[in-house]
Amino acid sequence: EAQVTQNPRYLITVTGKKLTVTCSQNMNHEYMSWYRQDPGLGLRQIYYSMNVEVTDKGDVPEGYKVSRKEKRNFPLILESPSPNQTSLYFCASSPGDREAGELFFGEGSRLTVL
Amino acid sequence: GQNIDQPTEMTATEGAIVQINCTYQTSGFNGLFWYQQHAGEAPTFLSYNVLDGLEEKGRFSSFLSRSKGYSYLLLKELQMKDSASYLCAFLDSNYQLIWGAGTKLIIKP
Repeated sequence: EAQVTQNPRYLITVTGKKLTVTCSQNMNHEYMSWYRQDPGLGLRQIYYSMNVEVTDKGDVPEGYKVSRKEKRNFPLILESPSPNQTSLYFCASSPGDREAGELFFGEGSRLTVL
Repeated sequence: GQNIDQPTEMTATEGAIVQINCTYQTSGFNGLFWYQQHAGEAPTFLSYNVLDGLEEKGRFSSFLSRSKGYSYLLLKELQMKDSASYLCAFLDSNYQLIWGAGTKLIIKP
């Protein structure tokens, strides 16, 4: 089954404790992206990757890191989480280019930073 | 600059028809997308328009006018399960999606 898998789905952590949210897709997609979604603000892009070893900042990259060492995986790293990073996070992938807009989303990771 | 706008919330009656509008401004355009998102779930792709006109897919249709920077999503024969947020987004010249904040659609019996 074609899917994007994120882990963990739910996480409560404390300020400053490094965490990683994993994302994996099995569709051989070139393009992957991370979004956060907050009430009233819609989806905001954090980072994206057009292909392996190529990553770019989105609209709200501060406080986050990513890597794309292999095509299927695109982890999101919070080196020193703060309460303003409490949010619902989505990983997404697409074939890229003209099909870039047809995104397949993971189920989401709800993060709470105390 | 780029921007995209859609109503925050709409209410409709089960069995009726509702039209959700979306307006956008951009210098580079590679298509308009609609997604559906149920509360607490991930968005799912609904439709894609790159040429002017109407695209029909079952009970859902999407319309695009590039000259007016305008799109709408038309939902017919509304069902309670259509209660969700509907997200409009366009693909810019760099093939990046620019998202609207979403329209929360409430269906009443």
